[in-house]
Amino acid sequence: DQQVKQNSPSLSVQEGRISILNCDYTNSMFDYFLWYKKYPAEGPTFLISISSIKDKNEDGRFTVFLNKSAKHLSLHIVPSQPGDSAVYFCAASANYGQNFVFGPGTRLSVLP
Amino acid sequence: GAGVSQSPSNKVTEKGKDVELRCDPISGHTALYWYRQSLGQGLEFLIYFQGNSAPDKSGLPSDRFSAERTGGSVSTLTIQRTQQEDSAVYLCASSLGGIGSYEQYFGPGTRLTVT
Repeated sequence: DQQVKQNSPSLSVQEGRISILNCDYTNSMFDYFLWYKKYPAEGPTFLISISSIKDKNEDGRFTVFLNKSAKHLSLHIVPSQPGDSAVYFCAASANYGQNFVFGPGTRLSVLP
Repeated sequence: GAGVSQSPSNKVTEKGKDVELRCDPISGHTALYWYRQSLGQGLEFLIYFQGNSAPDKSGLPSDRFSAERTGGSVSTLTIQRTQQEDSAVYLCASSLGGIGSYEQYFGPGTRLTVT
């Protein structure tokens, strides 16, 4: 039973437009969420995080939104760039940083 | 370098052999995590260390898997009597481990192939 779901295995977006990556979770005890980006043959790279006491966190072109009642978070990338093409994972923790559960990932392709 | 390093980068082994995977975390990071990613799958949590102790071993898939961490630094993941289903990329990550410092920094991974 997947506790963290990323229902879109892939997403294609035109350069300069907005990319929206979605993540749903089932465990209401999750209190901290992170997004990672992964290029082939490399380890994941941390992008942005959000704790359950907030509903939005912004860092440059990246914004994460959290809707606790819907158990849903999303990552917005504006504007999208070809270098953003990668696999994006969301991850959640129920005890502030001990055990993180990762989603299966969404492959983003930004087309020039 | 200042990042997380893992060795070997690639390991091919015969079914039934034991393997050891090594992780060198970022200096000063007290928390260390092991994950694995099988082909086409997401990251599967294996084990978490805070210092040298492992409060959460729930992700280890069987008793053939074990891990230790010494000196609050280097960690080794050992897989005994490897099986073909153990083939995966094994990723190590570290974080500062304090309150509010949960971001994990990943190493490049060890690709394990069991033939």
